[in-house]
Amino acid sequence: DAGITQSPRHKVTETGTPVTLRCHQTENHRYMYWYRQDPGHGLRLIHYSYGVKDTDKGEVSDGYSVSRSKTEDFLLTLESATSSQTSVYFCAISPGTSGGEETQYFGPGTRLLVL
Amino acid sequence: DQQVKQNSPSLSVQEGRISILNCDYTNSMFDYFLWYKKYPAEGPTFLISISSIKDKNEDGRFTVFLNKSAKHLSLHIVPSQPGDSAVYFCAAAYNNNDMRFGAGTRLTVKP
Repeated sequence: DAGITQSPRHKVTETGTPVTLRCHQTENHRYMYWYRQDPGHGLRLIHYSYGVKDTDKGEVSDGYSVSRSKTEDFLLTLESATSSQTSVYFCAISPGTSGGEETQYFGPGTRLLVL
Repeated sequence: DQQVKQNSPSLSVQEGRISILNCDYTNSMFDYFLWYKKYPAEGPTFLISISSIKDKNEDGRFTVFLNKSAKHLSLHIVPSQPGDSAVYFCAAAYNNNDMRFGAGTRLTVKP
């Protein structure tokens, strides 16, 4: 299994509060991704990173920001959490060496409940 | 705009029989396709993949078939085992930045 950890694993917060989720990898992979999983939607990409300080938006980026100051860490921040951001969040990594045909490996997930 | 669709939310099969999970996509730019397996409270686990230059890829009990003209892929599991019970996600990509997932199919293999 790829060395990916996510913290916290569970979080309950209130509407309007900031929340930061952390993804940590030990594989030295170039690409890191944040997804959310919701019933009926599968996994949807929020943001991704292709290197330190290099990030870009995904399919559902509104209300989220990310930062990557080190190769091994990718942070997802909800500046002001809303109930629609209640979801399970997954981090994924990929090597970034195969020119496109790459497998992404997922972390264990963070379950976030916004009350 | 769901570019990858898994139209069967659930599938139930008997142990030892074949499980066939289906996936359709709309974007002809996709050139790499994957299947992931997910158990409750865990992250998705990579199962098998196929490049658009192939029409079949096999790994043990798992075979993925790709029909580019129909924009359809399927995952065959034979023989099915109770431990295969999980949610299966189909995914499609055309670069490192844009992988799209289907909504998932819950497979139940009955002993």
